[in-house]
Amino acid sequence: GDSVTQMEGPVTLSEEAFLTINCTYTATGYPSLFWYVQYPGEGLQLLLKATKADDKGSNKGFEATYRKETTSFHLEKGSVQVSDSAVYFCALSDRSNTDKLIFGTGTRLQVFP
Amino acid sequence: NAGVTQTPKFQVLKTGQSMTLQCAQDMNHEYMSWYRQDPGMGLRLIHYSVGAGITDQGEVPNGYNVSRSTTEDFPLRLLSAAPSQTSVYFCASGRGQGHTEAFFGQGTRLTVV
Repeated sequence: GDSVTQMEGPVTLSEEAFLTINCTYTATGYPSLFWYVQYPGEGLQLLLKATKADDKGSNKGFEATYRKETTSFHLEKGSVQVSDSAVYFCALSDRSNTDKLIFGTGTRLQVFP
Repeated sequence: NAGVTQTPKFQVLKTGQSMTLQCAQDMNHEYMSWYRQDPGMGLRLIHYSVGAGITDQGEVPNGYNVSRSTTEDFPLRLLSAAPSQTSVYFCASGRGQGHTEAFFGQGTRLTVV
């Protein structure tokens, strides 16, 4: 079945460092891809998404490109801030008439001043 | 605009007890779902609904029941709580188009002793 694999954390960075969180997927069709973020004590919220190959999603300085040839959707940010400390989840949706999401295990990011 | 509201935020149950986790949304979304979040496992789908009167099982449905009598509400029932059901539970809603944003509640932290 469909699945999502993302790098384990925690990822620990200094403020203004470059961030990459790897995400690869396995799917039989042409899924939509998402990054969700979970701040401490809160639910998940959408960070960015891409719905077809070569699409780039971007938000709040974060970017990810839907790469069909490598089945990847890596999350990047050029300069992280302490406020970016959170857990990041990569997810896919099978584009049916539901919003069923298959999540990766999550990657905790800790940014220190 | 409240979005997705879950109650309670915290709950402790004894093994064998039953309870209902409440979820309500005010965005007129057709699609609603329940996930559980466990360390190292990401979020896993328990049950979902594509509209009032329609429910279906997700990845980990055993020990849980749901019903959808209105568009707004989607309660999750634990029939006989077990320690393995200790988890954080999230309710989500969306427009059910497969590529649109899912909106999450703030979660219910459940401990079964």
